[in-house]
Amino acid sequence: GQNIDQPTEMTATEGAIVQINCTYQTSGFNGLFWYQQHAGEAPTFLSYNVLDGLEEKGRFSSFLSRSKGYSYLLLKELQMKDSASYLCAVSGSARQLTFGSGTQLTVLP
Amino acid sequence: GAVVSQHPSRVICKSGTSVKIECRSLDFQATTMFWYRQFPKQSLMLMATSNEGSKATYEQGVEKDKFLINHASLTLSTLTVTSAHPEDSSFYICSAEGQGVTDTQYFGPGTRLTVL
Repeated sequence: GQNIDQPTEMTATEGAIVQINCTYQTSGFNGLFWYQQHAGEAPTFLSYNVLDGLEEKGRFSSFLSRSKGYSYLLLKELQMKDSASYLCAVSGSARQLTFGSGTQLTVLP
Repeated sequence: GAVVSQHPSRVICKSGTSVKIECRSLDFQATTMFWYRQFPKQSLMLMATSNEGSKATYEQGVEKDKFLINHASLTLSTLTVTSAHPEDSSFYICSAEGQGVTDTQYFGPGTRLTVL
Protein backbone atom coordinates (compact mmCIF):
# COMPACT_ATOMS: atom_id res chain seq x y z
CA GLY A 1 0.00 0.00 0.00
CA GLN A 2 0.90 3.66 0.05
CA ASN A 3 1.52 5.91 3.02
CA ILE A 4 2.27 9.59 2.57
CA ASP A 5 2.97 12.05 5.37
CA GLN A 6 3.19 15.81 5.27
CA PRO A 7 2.61 18.49 7.91
CA THR A 8 -0.97 19.64 8.32
CA GLU A 9 -0.30 23.36 8.59
CA MET A 10 2.52 25.85 8.13
CA THR A 11 2.74 29.61 8.48
CA ALA A 12 5.30 31.92 6.91
CA THR A 13 5.82 35.61 6.23
CA GLU A 14 5.53 37.34 2.88
CA GLY A 15 8.93 37.44 1.14
CA ALA A 16 10.31 34.53 3.15
CA ILE A 17 11.23 30.99 2.12
CA VAL A 18 9.28 27.93 3.24
CA GLN A 19 10.02 24.23 2.86
CA ILE A 20 7.21 21.68 2.92
CA ASN A 21 8.36 18.13 3.57
CA CYS A 22 6.80 14.89 2.41
CA THR A 23 7.77 11.35 3.33
CA TYR A 24 6.32 8.32 1.65
CA GLN A 25 6.25 4.54 1.74
CA THR A 26 5.00 2.89 -1.42
CA SER A 27 4.83 -0.54 -3.00
CA GLY A 28 5.59 0.91 -6.43
CA PHE A 29 7.05 4.24 -7.50
CA ASN A 30 6.59 6.10 -10.75
CA GLY A 31 7.35 9.61 -9.61
CA LEU A 32 6.28 12.22 -7.09
CA PHE A 33 4.10 15.23 -7.79
CA TRP A 34 3.41 18.45 -5.97
CA TYR A 35 0.12 20.23 -6.53
CA GLN A 36 -1.28 23.51 -5.25
CA GLN A 37 -4.95 23.69 -4.35
CA HIS A 38 -6.87 26.80 -3.39
CA ALA A 39 -10.08 26.33 -1.44
CA GLY A 40 -12.95 25.13 -3.62
CA GLU A 41 -10.75 24.66 -6.67
CA ALA A 42 -9.07 21.72 -8.35
CA PRO A 43 -5.37 21.03 -7.82
CA THR A 44 -2.86 22.78 -10.07
CA PHE A 45 0.30 20.97 -11.14
CA LEU A 46 3.52 22.41 -9.70
CA SER A 47 6.27 19.85 -10.16
CA TYR A 48 7.21 16.27 -10.95
CA ASN A 49 10.28 14.37 -9.74
CA VAL A 50 11.14 10.86 -10.81
CA LEU A 51 14.93 10.97 -10.36
CA ASP A 52 16.86 12.03 -7.27
CA GLY A 53 17.79 15.66 -7.05
CA LEU A 54 16.42 19.15 -7.26
CA GLU A 55 14.06 20.47 -9.91
CA GLU A 56 13.81 24.26 -10.06
CA LYS A 57 10.98 26.16 -11.68
CA GLY A 58 10.92 29.86 -10.93
CA ARG A 59 10.06 30.49 -7.28
CA PHE A 60 9.26 26.82 -6.74
CA SER A 61 11.74 23.96 -6.37
CA SER A 62 11.16 20.32 -5.54
CA PHE A 63 13.62 17.76 -4.25
CA LEU A 64 13.48 13.98 -4.24
CA SER A 65 15.47 11.26 -2.51
CA ARG A 66 14.12 7.87 -3.51
CA SER A 67 16.35 5.94 -1.11
CA LYS A 68 15.00 7.96 1.82
CA GLY A 69 11.40 8.13 0.58
CA TYR A 70 11.57 11.89 1.01
CA SER A 71 10.67 14.97 -0.95
CA TYR A 72 10.30 18.65 -0.24
CA LEU A 73 8.75 21.62 -1.98
CA LEU A 74 10.60 24.90 -1.55
CA LEU A 75 8.79 28.17 -2.10
CA LYS A 76 10.88 31.34 -2.32
CA GLU A 77 9.88 35.01 -2.16
CA LEU A 78 6.51 34.10 -0.71
CA GLN A 79 3.51 36.06 -1.88
CA MET A 80 0.08 36.33 -0.30
CA LYS A 81 -1.41 34.41 -3.21
CA ASP A 82 0.75 31.41 -2.24
CA SER A 83 -1.61 30.78 0.68
CA ALA A 84 -3.12 27.43 -0.30
CA SER A 85 -3.01 23.74 0.37
CA TYR A 86 0.02 21.93 -1.06
CA LEU A 87 -0.49 18.29 -1.92
CA CYS A 88 2.24 15.70 -2.22
CA ALA A 89 1.21 12.79 -4.44
CA VAL A 90 3.01 9.60 -5.37
CA SER A 91 2.45 7.83 -8.65
CA GLY A 92 2.27 4.06 -8.17
CA SER A 93 3.06 1.16 -10.44
CA ALA A 94 -0.22 1.62 -12.34
CA ARG A 95 0.37 5.40 -12.49
CA GLN A 96 -2.51 6.05 -10.12
CA LEU A 97 -1.88 8.96 -7.74
CA THR A 98 -2.06 8.61 -3.99
CA PHE A 99 -2.29 11.95 -2.25
CA GLY A 100 -1.05 13.06 1.11
CA SER A 101 -3.48 14.92 3.33
CA GLY A 102 -2.10 18.27 2.20
CA THR A 103 -0.26 21.07 3.97
CA GLN A 104 -2.25 24.25 4.48
CA LEU A 105 0.17 27.15 4.05
CA THR A 106 -0.77 30.57 5.38
CA VAL A 107 1.33 33.52 4.24
CA LEU A 108 1.18 36.49 6.59
CA PRO A 109 1.90 40.10 5.61
CA GLY B 1 -0.02 23.01 -19.83
CA ALA B 2 -2.72 20.59 -20.91
CA VAL B 3 -6.35 21.64 -20.41
CA VAL B 4 -9.04 19.48 -18.87
CA SER B 5 -12.64 20.62 -18.54
CA GLN B 6 -15.49 19.31 -16.42
CA HIS B 7 -19.20 19.86 -16.74
CA PRO B 8 -21.21 20.80 -14.79
CA SER B 9 -19.18 22.79 -12.29
CA ARG B 10 -21.94 22.62 -9.72
CA VAL B 11 -25.08 20.50 -9.42
CA ILE B 12 -27.81 20.20 -6.84
CA CYS B 13 -30.16 17.25 -7.07
CA LYS B 14 -32.79 15.41 -5.08
CA SER B 15 -32.05 12.17 -3.32
CA GLY B 16 -32.64 9.17 -5.58
CA THR B 17 -31.84 10.89 -8.86
CA SER B 18 -28.83 10.23 -11.07
CA VAL B 19 -26.22 12.79 -12.02
CA LYS B 20 -23.78 12.64 -14.93
CA ILE B 21 -20.45 14.48 -14.85
CA GLU B 22 -18.35 14.91 -17.99
CA CYS B 23 -14.58 15.19 -18.15
CA ARG B 24 -12.90 16.30 -21.38
CA SER B 25 -9.29 16.72 -22.40
CA LEU B 26 -9.35 19.74 -24.67
CA ASP B 27 -5.94 19.85 -26.34
CA PHE B 28 -4.60 16.33 -26.05
CA GLN B 29 -5.74 12.73 -26.24
CA ALA B 30 -6.14 11.10 -22.86
CA THR B 31 -5.62 7.37 -22.88
CA THR B 32 -6.23 7.27 -19.16
CA MET B 33 -8.50 9.37 -16.99
CA PHE B 34 -8.89 9.23 -13.24
CA TRP B 35 -11.84 10.12 -11.02
CA TYR B 36 -11.30 11.46 -7.51
CA ARG B 37 -13.58 12.51 -4.69
CA GLN B 38 -12.71 15.09 -2.08
CA PHE B 39 -14.68 15.70 1.10
CA PRO B 40 -14.29 19.03 2.94
CA LYS B 41 -10.85 19.54 4.47
CA GLN B 42 -9.69 16.15 3.25
CA SER B 43 -7.36 15.12 0.49
CA LEU B 44 -8.30 13.64 -2.84
CA MET B 45 -9.26 9.98 -2.84
CA LEU B 46 -8.96 8.00 -6.06
CA MET B 47 -12.25 6.36 -7.00
CA ALA B 48 -11.44 4.71 -10.30
CA THR B 49 -9.10 4.58 -13.27
CA SER B 50 -10.71 4.83 -16.68
CA ASN B 51 -9.04 3.61 -19.86
CA GLU B 52 -10.45 4.39 -23.28
CA GLY B 53 -12.41 1.48 -24.70
CA SER B 54 -12.22 -0.75 -21.64
CA LYS B 55 -13.90 -1.16 -18.27
CA ALA B 56 -12.88 1.11 -15.46
CA THR B 57 -10.81 -0.16 -12.55
CA TYR B 58 -12.39 0.77 -9.22
CA GLU B 59 -10.58 1.30 -5.94
CA GLN B 60 -11.49 -0.83 -2.98
CA GLY B 61 -14.69 0.33 -1.33
CA VAL B 62 -16.05 2.16 -4.39
CA GLU B 63 -19.27 0.63 -5.72
CA LYS B 64 -18.99 0.16 -9.47
CA ASP B 65 -22.77 -0.14 -9.87
CA LYS B 66 -23.30 3.16 -8.12
CA PHE B 67 -20.55 5.13 -9.83
CA LEU B 68 -20.77 4.29 -13.52
CA ILE B 69 -17.78 5.30 -15.61
CA ASN B 70 -17.69 5.42 -19.39
CA HIS B 71 -14.58 6.36 -21.39
CA ALA B 72 -15.97 6.25 -24.91
CA SER B 73 -13.32 8.32 -26.64
CA LEU B 74 -9.78 9.59 -26.13
CA THR B 75 -11.11 12.97 -25.03
CA LEU B 76 -14.18 12.16 -22.96
CA SER B 77 -14.93 10.23 -19.78
CA THR B 78 -18.20 10.39 -17.86
CA LEU B 79 -19.03 9.58 -14.25
CA THR B 80 -22.67 8.89 -13.41
CA VAL B 81 -23.67 8.87 -9.76
CA THR B 82 -26.76 6.67 -9.71
CA SER B 83 -29.49 6.98 -7.09
CA ALA B 84 -27.60 9.74 -5.33
CA HIS B 85 -27.92 10.18 -1.57
CA PRO B 86 -26.85 13.05 0.70
CA GLU B 87 -23.68 11.16 1.69
CA ASP B 88 -22.61 11.31 -1.97
CA SER B 89 -22.37 15.10 -1.71
CA SER B 90 -18.75 15.89 -2.43
CA PHE B 91 -16.28 17.56 -4.79
CA TYR B 92 -15.67 15.25 -7.76
CA ILE B 93 -12.51 15.87 -9.75
CA CYS B 94 -11.24 14.16 -12.86
CA SER B 95 -7.73 14.12 -14.21
CA ALA B 96 -6.35 13.12 -17.54
CA GLU B 97 -3.03 11.66 -18.50
CA GLY B 98 -2.01 11.86 -22.10
CA GLN B 99 0.66 10.38 -24.26
CA GLY B 100 3.73 12.57 -24.48
CA VAL B 101 2.93 14.78 -21.51
CA THR B 102 5.47 13.15 -19.21
CA ASP B 103 2.95 11.07 -17.27
CA THR B 104 1.65 14.20 -15.58
CA GLN B 105 -1.97 14.19 -14.55
CA TYR B 106 -3.82 17.40 -15.29
CA PHE B 107 -6.94 18.07 -13.28
CA GLY B 108 -10.29 19.37 -14.33
CA PRO B 109 -11.86 22.24 -12.36
CA GLY B 110 -14.05 19.86 -10.36
CA THR B 111 -17.79 19.37 -9.89
CA ARG B 112 -19.48 20.25 -6.62
CA LEU B 113 -22.35 17.82 -6.08
CA THR B 114 -24.97 18.53 -3.44
CA VAL B 115 -27.67 15.93 -2.86
CA LEU B 116 -30.68 17.16 -0.92
